[in-house]
Amino acid sequence: GQQLNQSPQSMFIQEGEDVSMNCTSSSIFNTWLWYKQDPGEGPVLLIALYKAGELTSNGRLTAQFGITRKDSFLNISASIPSDVGIYFCAGRSNTGNQFYFGTGTSLTVIP
Amino acid sequence: GAGVSQSPSNKVTEKGKDVELRCDPISGHTALYWYRQSLGQGLEFLIYFQGNSAPDKSGLPSDRFSAERTGGSVSTLTIQRTQQEDSAVYLCASSFGTSYGYTFGSGTRLTVV
Repeated sequence: GQQLNQSPQSMFIQEGEDVSMNCTSSSIFNTWLWYKQDPGEGPVLLIALYKAGELTSNGRLTAQFGITRKDSFLNISASIPSDVGIYFCAGRSNTGNQFYFGTGTSLTVIP
Repeated sequence: GAGVSQSPSNKVTEKGKDVELRCDPISGHTALYWYRQSLGQGLEFLIYFQGNSAPDKSGLPSDRFSAERTGGSVSTLTIQRTQQEDSAVYLCASSFGTSYGYTFGSGTRLTVV
């Protein structure tokens, strides 16, 4: 199945720093999602994007639907220890029945 | 229910045995998905159910894997003659339809020894 390229694979940052991660696809998608997974839990939906160029915020999180419709970005501002986890992007095309997931970005926040 | 419920949360089985994993989706969600997550890896699509339509089984890795969804609600993923490479976390998700984001369960951690 299709897999999305997500980068970076892992990040180690100081508390208070901002974080940026991105996801790219070889296909055009009409919906992008961003999830966070805590250890031992299933992924939890953070932000959903439905339109090219759309910029959506959820607290300290901001995500953007790329203009080319082949990429998406997630930014976290002023990171805190509870931001630790694995962040996944997911995309879906107009004709698809399922979302394809990225390989994940593991975030570690150092207090 | 309030969320997607999966059982058991952990399963240890001997190589060659069959296992059944259960998923109880959110009430009213018509779409149900099974994914597999190996250690440190992303999410691998296995199978998808939408209403009364034929399931999309394109992600099942071998004929040892099968799934059913009874009455448009509870789903069971069955792995026959388990192998060590089947060890992973099996995640179930549901949604109102294919256009909507999924709600995931906490997963079943399967260990084949």
